[in-house]
Amino acid sequence: NAGVTQTPKFQVLKTGQSMTLQCAQDMNHEYMSWYRQDPGMGLRLIHYSVGAGITDQGEVPNGYNVSRSTTEDFPLRLLSAAPSQTSVYFCASSYSGYNGYTFGSGTRLTVV
Amino acid sequence: GQNIDQPTEMTATEGAIVQINCTYQTSGFNGLFWYQQHAGEAPTFLSYNVLDGLEEKGRFSSFLSRSKGYSYLLLKELQMKDSASYLCAILTGGGNKLTFGTGTQLKVEL
Repeated sequence: NAGVTQTPKFQVLKTGQSMTLQCAQDMNHEYMSWYRQDPGMGLRLIHYSVGAGITDQGEVPNGYNVSRSTTEDFPLRLLSAAPSQTSVYFCASSYSGYNGYTFGSGTRLTVV
Repeated sequence: GQNIDQPTEMTATEGAIVQINCTYQTSGFNGLFWYQQHAGEAPTFLSYNVLDGLEEKGRFSSFLSRSKGYSYLLLKELQMKDSASYLCAILTGGGNKLTFGTGTQLKVEL
């Protein structure tokens, strides 16, 4: 039981490049979310999903796309990276929300 | 939307007790969580309150007053390893949306 697995752990992108941050969980959780964490800003919700095929926007969705084709995977796509997207990205999952969300170890992204 | 306020920083002495407050304004409240986050690591679950009152778990306790939009996290017998950021988070949307405050950085000194 690996929990929530995020890859890569570190990434440097050039402005305008695209990439996908991977998130996978093996706990059969329906609810999954993506957050970004910046100094002084706390964790901000980017996108979330309540099951395969269902996604919705969070607080800061611009510049990011998501899809949920399976229960296990919830990738986050940056279509054209910008320096403002330099941040630490966390993926989290939960069985129902009420029992709490389990977080992955994070991806530290730098856009130059 | 949601508005969550908590102090930015607090300092306390090893062995003492510290209370971290959180106030919030929201609609569709489904519960309040406290998470702990050490520098460079992921947040980890500490407590969950959905009804008014005190929930105790070892050295950690959390209190909720829904009518006042207020919660606190109480840490007893502070240890150096308790130096971390403590995040207050509101659950809404029937459980599918967890919104965080900016966190309280706690420093435990000798």
